[in-house]
Amino acid sequence: GDSVTQMEGPVTLSEEAFLTINCTYTATGYPSLFWYVQYPGEGLQLLLKATKADDKGSNKGFEATYRKETTSFHLEKGSVQVSDSAVYFCALSDRRTSGTYKYIFGTGTRLKVLA
Amino acid sequence: ETGVTQSPTHLIKTRGQQVTLRCSSQSGHNTVSWYQQALGQGPQFIFQYYREEENGRGNFPPRFSGLQFPNYSSELNVNALELDDSALYLCASSLAARTGSGNTIYFGEGSWLTVV
Repeated sequence: GDSVTQMEGPVTLSEEAFLTINCTYTATGYPSLFWYVQYPGEGLQLLLKATKADDKGSNKGFEATYRKETTSFHLEKGSVQVSDSAVYFCALSDRRTSGTYKYIFGTGTRLKVLA
Repeated sequence: ETGVTQSPTHLIKTRGQQVTLRCSSQSGHNTVSWYQQALGQGPQFIFQYYREEENGRGNFPPRFSGLQFPNYSSELNVNALELDDSALYLCASSLAARTGSGNTIYFGEGSWLTVV
């Protein structure tokens, strides 16, 4: 079945450091890929998405490129801020046989940025 | 803000009781999904409603049930609560579950359920 695997956290970085959070997936179809962010005590917010191979999603300085050959969608940011401290979830959306879409989430990676 | 609202935000129930959680979807969205997020875990899909009918279900027992109303708002009902049901319950809405690629879902803030 479909699945998403993220690197385990927590990831602790100093402010202005470079961030990479790895995400790989397995899917029977041709999924769309997402990164969601969850701040403490809140729901999930869409950070960025990509719908086809080689697409790059970007938002708020974060980027991720859909790599079909390596089935990956790694999240990167060139210079993190304390306000980026949160839990990041990689997810895929794939089409069911019924024609509707299902979403599979990774287990999340906690990022802590120190001033 | 996503426009998806959930209530209540927090509640405590006793084992064996029943609970109803509510969700108003983003304006114009006709599809609602419910997820359970246990502490330290990613969201797990419970079920999805499209135009008032259930059209997908995850690996949850029948005591988890739902409804979608003509205005596309939704309820999640859980009967015979167990301690392991303690979690954040997230509602997400989207447009046209059956069409389109990159179908994005938008989450509410969630309802924190504690079963004691």
